Amino acid sequence: QVQLQESGPGLVKPSETLSLTCTVSGGSISNYYWSWIRQRPGKGLEWVGYLYYSGNTNYNPSLKSRVTISADTSKNQFSLKLTSVTAADTAVYYCARPPDLWGRGTLVTVSS
Amino acid sequence: EIVLTQSPATLSVSAGESLTLSCRASQSVGRALHWLQQKPGQAPRLLIYGASTRATGIPARFSASGSGTEFTLNISSLQSEDFAVYYCQQDNDWPLSAYSFGQGTKVESK
Repeated sequence: QVQLQESGPGLVKPSETLSLTCTVSGGSISNYYWSWIRQRPGKGLEWVGYLYYSGNTNYNPSLKSRVTISADTSKNQFSLKLTSVTAADTAVYYCARPPDLWGRGTLVTVSS
Repeated sequence: EIVLTQSPATLSVSAGESLTLSCRASQSVGRALHWLQQKPGQAPRLLIYGASTRATGIPARFSASGSGTEFTLNISSLQSEDFAVYYCQQDNDWPLSAYSFGQGTKVESK
């Protein structure tokens, strides 16, 4: 059974870079598209972006200038980097392979 | 970008009642429409995929239908564990086009 687990700092200072990693266990990241989705407090689900394991990516236009998603097939992981964060980036970040496979999510708070 | 609009925003119901949730797409998504359930503090869980097929382990009281731009999720005889937020999600033309989520319908206890 494939499982996803997010990891990374829970607190990031404004203007710095948010970095998260998703570890895929029970299966390979090869031959699939993998996504990051976020949920601001009390709000709905927002697609951040996705990548194909080989490296092709697609990002939410509203975040495109600040987002990078990459994969490390040797570690069976994929990662999210979001630069120049503000309080508006405070959210639970999920790694996922929608619609059926989701990590548990990790809360990232942007605060000084 | 395909916009999904869910209605109503909130439903106040009692356990045992039946209800219908709606999801409307701004353009046709065929049957590439899925329904997710999210409880507080939990990740979304897939209920229905391909507009009408229940995911593994989902009780038969959950049913869904629709195609094109109009979709519904029905819950018959609501159980206490069904109080949650329900999202529709589309992935028509994915990965050429991004997928999107509705804003959610909260099913709360009356």
